[in-house]
Parts: sequence; structure tokens; C-alpha cells
Amino acid sequence: NAGVTQTPKFQVLKTGQSMTLQCAQDMNHEYMSWYRQDPGMGLRLIHYSVGAGITDQGEVPNGYNVSRSTTEDFPLRLLSAAPSQTSVYFCASSYSWGQPQHFGDGTRLSIL
Amino acid sequence: ELKVEQNPLFLSMQEGKNYTIYCNYSTTSDRLYWYRQDPGKSLESLFVLLSNGAVKQEGRLMASLDTKARLSTLHITAAVHDLSATYFCAVRYGNKLVFGAGTILRVKS
Repeated sequence: NAGVTQTPKFQVLKTGQSMTLQCAQDMNHEYMSWYRQDPGMGLRLIHYSVGAGITDQGEVPNGYNVSRSTTEDFPLRLLSAAPSQTSVYFCASSYSWGQPQHFGDGTRLSIL
Repeated sequence: ELKVEQNPLFLSMQEGKNYTIYCNYSTTSDRLYWYRQDPGKSLESLFVLLSNGAVKQEGRLMASLDTKARLSTLHITAAVHDLSATYFCAVRYGNKLVFGAGTILRVKS
């Protein structure tokens, strides 16, 4: 099992550019989520999905879009990158909302 | 809004000694999680605590939950170097998971 796969692992963007962070899981998990991790702040929820076609906002959704067209994939889009979005982004999934989440290896994003 | 506070945020431990990390949360929740993160790595699930008085143990780590006090503890017994990592507690709030800031543990020989 590959588990939760995130691509790319590293990315540098210029302010104003857009990009999509990819997340795929092969465990048939219904619940998927995106977090950002910043020093001293733990992980903060950006968006989550409880199943294909269903998404909702988390704690810090501004500047990010998501979609869930399949059970396996949950891409995160940065619409117009800003330096404040420099962070490590983690995708996670679980069989249901109450189960412990499986995390991907993260995407380290720098915005200049 | 649920707030989750961990303390201490940094803990320097001596090998062989016992220590405790605390996780307080502000609103009723039905489950609490502990995760471990090694530097530059992903997060690994350690424990899920579901009810008041729940206690779970894995090796030198033991987690407990007091839902009335809204407090969970992670107790480390006889610390060893392999336990050096950042430990996060996270609390379920509806369909969302709210994380504490994390506790950085460093074990000194």
C-alpha cells in the first residue's frame, strides 16, 4: 500500500502564481483533509472532505480551494500565492471522521 | 471555538527519568488523539482516547484522558533517546481535528 501520496515534495513559487498540490490515497478512505504546519502553531486545518463531492472549510481556508471528484484524490489549489502561504502542507485521510488520520509526507512550499 | 493547549512546549529529558506532557482543551469532545512527528517527517498516530478514564499504553508511553477536566496526559517512563520527537495532541470538534502547538522532546544521554 502506498498510503497517502503527496506531490510535489518541494516547491518554490513567486508571489501571484497559482499551483495545485496533489494528494492521493489508495486505502478507500472517505475522510480527507489538508493542513498547514507553521513553527509553534501545530497543524491548522485548511479544508476537509467527508466523501466524494463533499468539501467544507476548516480553520484557515482563505486563499485555498479544494475539490473531491473521486474518493482517491483531494487536490489543494493556491489561487494567487502569497508569502504568508509559505508553509509545510500535509494531506491526511481516514476511513471515517472518528478514526486516526494517516498523513502524507508533506509538501514544503516557499513563496518569494 | 475549540482551543487546545499543550505544555510544556519544550522538554529536555534525561535518559532513564519519567516525564509528563499535558494537553488541555476548552470544549467538550468525544475523542482525543496523540501523534508523533520526527524532524522533517510526517505524523504518526500513537493513541486514540475515546472515553473518560481511558488509558492506553505502548512501550514507554502511556496516555490518559479525563473528559471532566478536559485534560489528557502523555506519560513517558524511563526516557530513551528514541523518544526524541515532537508530540501533538489533537481533539475532535465536529468533523474537524484541532491540534495543539506540539511538545518538542529531547532526550539527553
